[in-house]
Amino acid sequence: GNSVTQMEGPVTLSEEAFLTINCTYTATGYPSLFWYVQYPGEGLQLLLKATKADDKGSNKGFEATYRKETTSFHLEKGSVQVSDSAVYFCALSGTTDSWGKFQFGAGTQVVVTP
Amino acid sequence: DARVTQTPRHKVTEMGQEVTMRCQPILGHNTVFWYRQTMMQGLELLAYFRNRAPLDDSGMPKDRFSAEMPDATLATLKIQPSEPRDSAVYFCASGLSEETQYFGPGTRLLVL
Repeated sequence: GNSVTQMEGPVTLSEEAFLTINCTYTATGYPSLFWYVQYPGEGLQLLLKATKADDKGSNKGFEATYRKETTSFHLEKGSVQVSDSAVYFCALSGTTDSWGKFQFGAGTQVVVTP
Repeated sequence: DARVTQTPRHKVTEMGQEVTMRCQPILGHNTVFWYRQTMMQGLELLAYFRNRAPLDDSGMPKDRFSAEMPDATLATLKIQPSEPRDSAVYFCASGLSEETQYFGPGTRLLVL
């Protein structure tokens, strides 16, 4: 079946540091890949997505590239801010046996200190 | 700015009581999902509807949980009877088939 594996948190870093959150997946077919972000007390919000191999999703300074050869979709940001403190979820969808369901990773908490 | 709405936002109840959570999906979306989020289990899919028909509720404890869509603008998740282990945040999400899901703000449930 489909699965998503994310690096465990919490990831703690200082403001303006470089952030990488690793995400790898296992899936049948050709999934779409997503990063969602959850701020404290809120629901998940779409951060970015990529629908085919070599696509790069980007939003709010975050980027992730769909790497089919390594089955990865790592999230990066060059210079984080305190406001980026949140939980980040990697997810996939759109495989032939998923019927539109999303498979979410466990989430990675990111804490950015001033 | 279309959003998924959920009511109530917070619910405290006693063990054995019935709990009903409601969700209004974004107008025009044809898929609705119910998730439960806890510290221990993370985000779990409970039920999934497409065009109001239940496609998958394998993640839901059948003896006490039920999910329905009486019409295209309302999805409900009911727990009867509730138990302390049901305490969690319940999210509803809607989308267009296999495109992006949009999450509601969640219902924070505490069963005493």
